Amino acid sequence: AQSVTQLGSHVSVSEGALVLLRCNYSSSVPPYLFWYVQYPNQGLQLLLKYTSAATLVKGINGFEAEFKKSETSFHLTKPSAHMSDAAEYFCAVSGQGAQKLVFGQGTRLTINP
Amino acid sequence: GAGVSQSPSNKVTEKGKDVELRCDPISGHTALYWYRQSLGQGLEFLIYFQGNSAPDKSGLPSDRFSAERTGGSVSTLTIQRTQQEDSAVYLCASSPSRGAGETQYFGPGTRLLVL
Repeated sequence: AQSVTQLGSHVSVSEGALVLLRCNYSSSVPPYLFWYVQYPNQGLQLLLKYTSAATLVKGINGFEAEFKKSETSFHLTKPSAHMSDAAEYFCAVSGQGAQKLVFGQGTRLTINP
Repeated sequence: GAGVSQSPSNKVTEKGKDVELRCDPISGHTALYWYRQSLGQGLEFLIYFQGNSAPDKSGLPSDRFSAERTGGSVSTLTIQRTQQEDSAVYLCASSPSRGAGETQYFGPGTRLLVL
């Protein structure tokens, strides 16, 4: 079975500050890991994904995430927050066979001017 | 190109009525997924279609829920005898194949409110 835990349902940072959204996973098989972003009243948009190539993954809008097997983590970071980054962020895991995504509970990111 | 589209965007119904939600995947995508997003349960997998294979129905919460995919393209999710706890946003996604690690592309969702 697979599961995802996102630490912090709400994160608030100042514009220009570092963004760090935490994700820990549990998987009995080598995982594929994803970060999606959801803007109000919209569907989910892929930010980045880990598929067993490089452990540091770069995505859209300046986001990146690092896969750390020893810590079972896949935290999302961005060096400098922008007001447009305000949204809800979901970490998800899938396995080798089952294609369904298992999502974390989401983290709502607020950017303060 | 066109993304995943869903209709209706909003649906209000009365308890006990049946509803049908539609999903048009990205052209050429062989895999199609339904998820449900609700305040209490977060994002949950419902059902997965891949080509002509039998669908993975393991996420359907009850036998009131069913889905079909006609011609390997459009999919309809049907909820019979709706209950208030069915109120949620129903998201559809598609991917090019069932390859491991494939990106799933999501539609905007159908917001269902059961009164």
